[in-house]
Amino acid sequence: SQTIHQWPATLVQPVGSPLSLECTVEGTSNPNLYWYRQAAGRGLQLLFYSVGIGQISSEVPQNLSASRPQDRQFILSSKKLLLSDSGFYLCAWSRRDAGELFFGEGSRLTVL
Amino acid sequence: QQQVKQSPQSLIVQKGGISIINCAYENTAFDYFPWYQQFPGKGPALLIAIRPDVSEKKEGRFTISFNKSAKQFSLHIMDSQPGDSATYFCAASNYQLIWGAGTKLIIKP
Repeated sequence: SQTIHQWPATLVQPVGSPLSLECTVEGTSNPNLYWYRQAAGRGLQLLFYSVGIGQISSEVPQNLSASRPQDRQFILSSKKLLLSDSGFYLCAWSRRDAGELFFGEGSRLTVL
Repeated sequence: QQQVKQSPQSLIVQKGGISIINCAYENTAFDYFPWYQQFPGKGPALLIAIRPDVSEKKEGRFTISFNKSAKQFSLHIMDSQPGDSATYFCAASNYQLIWGAGTKLIIKP
């Protein structure tokens, strides 16, 4: 069966510090991978998606970046965090030929 | 054209009642309409989905009604239970999922 892991689960970082959130998928190959952000009590904002190694599409201009160094690994990064980067970050994957998204447990980021 | 409008933003229903959440879209190219359920502190999970070639799909207490001519679809939760309290998201897709804003549902015991 397929599983998706995200870490860390919780993160408190000062403004201006770097960020690295990691996501790995097991039990499948060539998945589409996604990073979403969810502000408190709000909807899902697609940040990045990837259809293959090194292929990243950005949906929203911001100080965040994403990388896909391996087929089942997706990393969300920032060089300098802003207060507005606080939120609940969700990694998700889907099969190439199906619409269902499978989400991870999320990483809650608080920037102080 | 890529928007999916979801209503209401929040909903309180008595235990045993029917919960109804509505969504509307503009893009007639959408061909997949899922509903996701999200509990606090967790990622969303697919609840039920429909394709535009059917007008209704039922899975247990959850039913999607789909009106292609009106470009609307809705989620009905029959015999709503406190365990159904969650945030519900509709979405629509042709190649990329477009999400509604979410509905926070509270079922009162």
